[in-house]
Amino acid sequence: AQKITQTQPGMFVQEKEAVTLDCTYDTSDPSYGLFWYKQPSSGEMIFLIYQGSYDQQNATEGRYSLNFQKARKSANLVISASQLGDSAMYFCAMREGWNTDKLIFGTGTRLQVFP
Amino acid sequence: DGGITQSPKYLFRKEGQNVTLSCEQNLNHDAMYWYRQDPGQGLRLIYYSQIVNDFQKGDIAEGYSVSREKKESFPLTVTSAQKNPTAFYLCASSPSGESTDTQYFGPGTRLTVL
Repeated sequence: AQKITQTQPGMFVQEKEAVTLDCTYDTSDPSYGLFWYKQPSSGEMIFLIYQGSYDQQNATEGRYSLNFQKARKSANLVISASQLGDSAMYFCAMREGWNTDKLIFGTGTRLQVFP
Repeated sequence: DGGITQSPKYLFRKEGQNVTLSCEQNLNHDAMYWYRQDPGQGLRLIYYSQIVNDFQKGDIAEGYSVSREKKESFPLTVTSAQKNPTAFYLCASSPSGESTDTQYFGPGTRLTVL
């Protein structure tokens, strides 16, 4: 079974609008962390936001927020006020347990922002 | 500026040759990682190291080797035993390797085997 599922291969959004990128995860471990990364065409993976399984509040970082719904096992990324520079691949990743280095990545969503 | 550097950015090699990809960080991070990315896919873990002179296999270690002689450096060798080495390789580091630590990535090396 897929541990991280990103069902949207591609998304389009108009500049200045908000967009939600979906991510669902599968784990039986009560301790885990969820990450979102942005990968522009240059290839570098840029860390955006982190949510821990025990965090009471949804994480926010500037224009990025994470809509964490634990019971539904979803961790959707919300980008507010989209900018042309937001066009990139976006990856959701999970780390299970407290003593593991392994990040499990989804297959990504390509976001294109148009004027 | 602190960061992770990978060199070269593009690498071409003939089939059957070993090739070594460089990864250096000046963030004073303990843990370092190597990932492979194939087109249309997420990243898969090759090897990781939490401390100097120690490293662990990831999900797809076959055909690869690493060393960690210095804290700052974690080179990856793609050997001739790797059946399909053409891919994008990303190196990452994190402060201590704990589960809450964020991994920060370098710019990547695109390896093409001819």
